Amino acid sequence: QVQLQQWGAGLLKPSETLSLTCAVYGGSFSGFWWTWIRQPPGKGLEWIGEINHSGSINYNPSLKSRVTISVDASKNQFSLKLSSVSAADTAVYYCARGQNGYIGYDYWNFDLWGRGTLLTVSS
Amino acid sequence: DIQMTQSPSSLSASVGDRVSITCRASQTIGSYLNWYQQKPGKAPDLLIYAASSLQSGVPSRFTGSGSGTDFSLTISSLQPEDFATYYCQQSSSTPYTFGQGTKVDMK
Repeated sequence: QVQLQQWGAGLLKPSETLSLTCAVYGGSFSGFWWTWIRQPPGKGLEWIGEINHSGSINYNPSLKSRVTISVDASKNQFSLKLSSVSAADTAVYYCARGQNGYIGYDYWNFDLWGRGTLLTVSS
Repeated sequence: DIQMTQSPSSLSASVGDRVSITCRASQTIGSYLNWYQQKPGKAPDLLIYAASSLQSGVPSRFTGSGSGTDFSLTISSLQPEDFATYYCQQSSSTPYTFGQGTKVDMK
């Protein structure tokens, strides 16, 4: 059974850099887009960006200037760095698997999620 | 960015009720529409993908419909484990975007 296990610091001061890593266990790393999504407390979901096993990347333009997503395919891991954090970045950060397919027409979804890491930004 | 708007934002229902949630996209997205269920303190779970396809393991009481800009999620007979928040999400183009969520609670 494929699982995503994520880890990283949960408490940062303003202006510091968030660093999270997500490992994929029990399944293929290639053929998917590995994704970061966040959710502020009590609010909705925001897509941060994605990377595939060969390092192709897409970022949300709203965060692009502060976000770096990277991959280590040899370890089946991908990572998120978010620089210059502020209180507005306080959220649960999820890693997720983006998959696409064809059922008479194309589809794309997030079918597997990590448990989430709560980031609190406070001085 | 494509804006996703869900309605209602919340609803109260009883076990056995038929419940429907709608989702509207700010521009046409074909069938690139997914539905997720999220329970407190947990990650979202994929329920429906490609507007109407049931994810493996999801009960058949959940159905999705629509295409273009207007979509809906229906629970035919609400069960106790269905009280949760539901999100639609467009996968037509990046940045992928979610609706604001619909919280289904007990009447």
